[in-house]
Amino acid sequence: GQSLEQPSEVTAVEGAIVQINCTYQTSGFYGLSWYQQHDGGAPTFLSYNALDGLEETGRFSSFLSRSDSYGYLLLQELQMKDSASYFCAVASFQKLVFGTGTRLLVSP
Amino acid sequence: DAGVIQSPRHEVTEMGQEVTLRCKPISGHNSLFWYRQTMMRGLELLIYFNNNVPIDDSGMPEDRFSAKMPNASFSTLKIQPSEPRDSAVYFCAIPRQDGGSDNEQFFGPGTRLTVL
Repeated sequence: GQSLEQPSEVTAVEGAIVQINCTYQTSGFYGLSWYQQHDGGAPTFLSYNALDGLEETGRFSSFLSRSDSYGYLLLQELQMKDSASYFCAVASFQKLVFGTGTRLLVSP
Repeated sequence: DAGVIQSPRHEVTEMGQEVTLRCKPISGHNSLFWYRQTMMRGLELLIYFNNNVPIDDSGMPEDRFSAKMPNASFSTLKIQPSEPRDSAVYFCAIPRQDGGSDNEQFFGPGTRLTVL
């Protein structure tokens, strides 16, 4: 089977840095993706890691360690608009398996 | 940029009725994914198509659910008969770039289904 674990909720203040962790157990692993979803909206793609290491895209970075079956999403210089749910997703056999999501609450 | 139109955006129906959800990629795509999202079960893959052929329908809950993709520009998800536990948001998604990685998917706006 496949399973992904993420914290259910994280809180932070504007301007801070927050890290959302994801651990996974899966067969046929190709990479780890991250998606953002605002309330009432659709998931939107943020990043994808196929290889170990850190990928940076603006204020967001994503990390993967295949040997540890672990990854994280790092959000810097938090803004109120970053309040949303964040999902990690394992790419496996031509499809994505999503984690349960982490709700990020950014306060002033 | 990839774009997906889903219709209807909201559907309220009574138990036992047939429901048809539609997905139309703005640019034709050979791969297409149907997801269901609920508070209890999160975001689940129901079925996905490649070259308009269903590849994996192991996520389809039961025989009441069926999906088709007659061409690269259109897909339907049908529930018959519908039940209250089918209430959820149903998303259609495509690879962000046609022929690109399935790891980067573009989601449509979703259909919020309520079965009374």
